[in-house]
Amino acid sequence: AQKITQTQPGMFVQEKEAVTLDCTYDTSDQSYGLFWYKQPSSGEMIFLIYQGSYDEQNATEGRYSLNFQKARKSANLVISASQLGDSAMYFCAMRGYSGGGADGLTFGKGTHLIIQP
Amino acid sequence: DSGVTQTPKHLITATGQRVTLRCSPRSGDLSVYWYQQSLDQGLQFLIQYYNGEERAKGNILERFSAQQFPDLHSELNLSSLELGDSALYFCASNLGGGLGTEAFFGQGTRLTVV
Repeated sequence: AQKITQTQPGMFVQEKEAVTLDCTYDTSDQSYGLFWYKQPSSGEMIFLIYQGSYDEQNATEGRYSLNFQKARKSANLVISASQLGDSAMYFCAMRGYSGGGADGLTFGKGTHLIIQP
Repeated sequence: DSGVTQTPKHLITATGQRVTLRCSPRSGDLSVYWYQQSLDQGLQFLIQYYNGEERAKGNILERFSAQQFPDLHSELNLSSLELGDSALYFCASNLGGGLGTEAFFGQGTRLTVV
């Protein structure tokens, strides 16, 4: 079984500051993928970034980077130079393999990020 | 716009009733996933279909069922509805297969059971 833990229910951050959202995971799979999604108040789920368990370099996508520490089983999301539009729920998720192939995503409970001007 | 279309956007129904939620995946995507988002349980994976066949099952209740049709659209059927089934139901799609294949989510169907 897979488990994702996000320990920060809510965060307030000043605009233009960097933000780190914590995520730890637990799995017995050797191969797995880690994802971050953003859910604004409008409700849609927006993919931000992906990290594979065998990727040696941390993933980056624009202002988003993923601080992957495999031995510690952590996959923290870093948002540089935060903007007001970054205010949203952020979900960490992982995918492993089931018998038929890559499985559905297991999500954490999310972090509600509020960017203050 | 993710390219995944879910209908209806909102649905209000009474306990004990049955509803069908519909999902059209992105053009070319073979895999469809259903997720439930509720205040109590958070975001939960329900079921996955790949090219018409069930591929993986998550925390899907026996009262719920799904299928994927030859044109690759999918339907999630919820029966004997209870108040606790009120939630946002997402459909997501991708090409299928790889661990790192991003899943594109639809806007969701908000189901309210009264």
